[in-house]
Amino acid sequence: KNEVEQSPQNLTAQEGEFITINCSYSVGISALHWLQQHPGGGIVSLFMLSSGKKKHGRLIATINIQEKHSSLHITASHPRDSAVYICAVTSSNYKLTFGKGTLLTVNP
Amino acid sequence: DAGVIQSPRHEVTEMGQEVTLRCKPISGHNSLFWYRQTMMRGLELLIYFNNNVPIDDSGMPEDRFSAKMPNASFSTLKIQPSEPRDSAVYFCASSYRGRNYGYTFGSGTRLTVV
Repeated sequence: KNEVEQSPQNLTAQEGEFITINCSYSVGISALHWLQQHPGGGIVSLFMLSSGKKKHGRLIATINIQEKHSSLHITASHPRDSAVYICAVTSSNYKLTFGKGTLLTVNP
Repeated sequence: DAGVIQSPRHEVTEMGQEVTLRCKPISGHNSLFWYRQTMMRGLELLIYFNNNVPIDDSGMPEDRFSAKMPNASFSTLKIQPSEPRDSAVYFCASSYRGRNYGYTFGSGTRLTVV
């Protein structure tokens, strides 16, 4: 079993829809990260959080430490949000362990 | 800051040749990571340096792979000899250990071994 599990693996939405991507982890962590990767592109860090909730524009990330679960929400989705979203966790030695990613496609 | 700088962006080489990938981390960051991304396995940690010292190289596939960090502003990942199964995108990332700073990734080097 992977230490970091994401769901769904693939997600297709219509422009304007509210989107949720989930991440569960099984190890002790110091922080959880949400990353974005466009096709053929680099990796951009969206959020790093260790508790509660963070918001940046239309993106919201939450984490429940007790349940070892995090969600990434996108409000009013847009085709430019189409990308792979990767959940990753940092353990005490500061190295990242990655989920397999969620491929999001937002159709106009 | 220009971010984490990797070179080259693309590399095509013949099997058996030596390949050297380069990374310049963000100034002031004291942790550097090399990751490999493939369709089959996703992102995998190859090696992690802290203050220029290799801390965890358990992800290095085999002896053909080696990494160095001679100073705080430069790291190399070398593959010798290269094989077609090494074809992947190699990412370098840096961070500041000791504070809750996030990671910054380079743009990656797309390596194709033919």
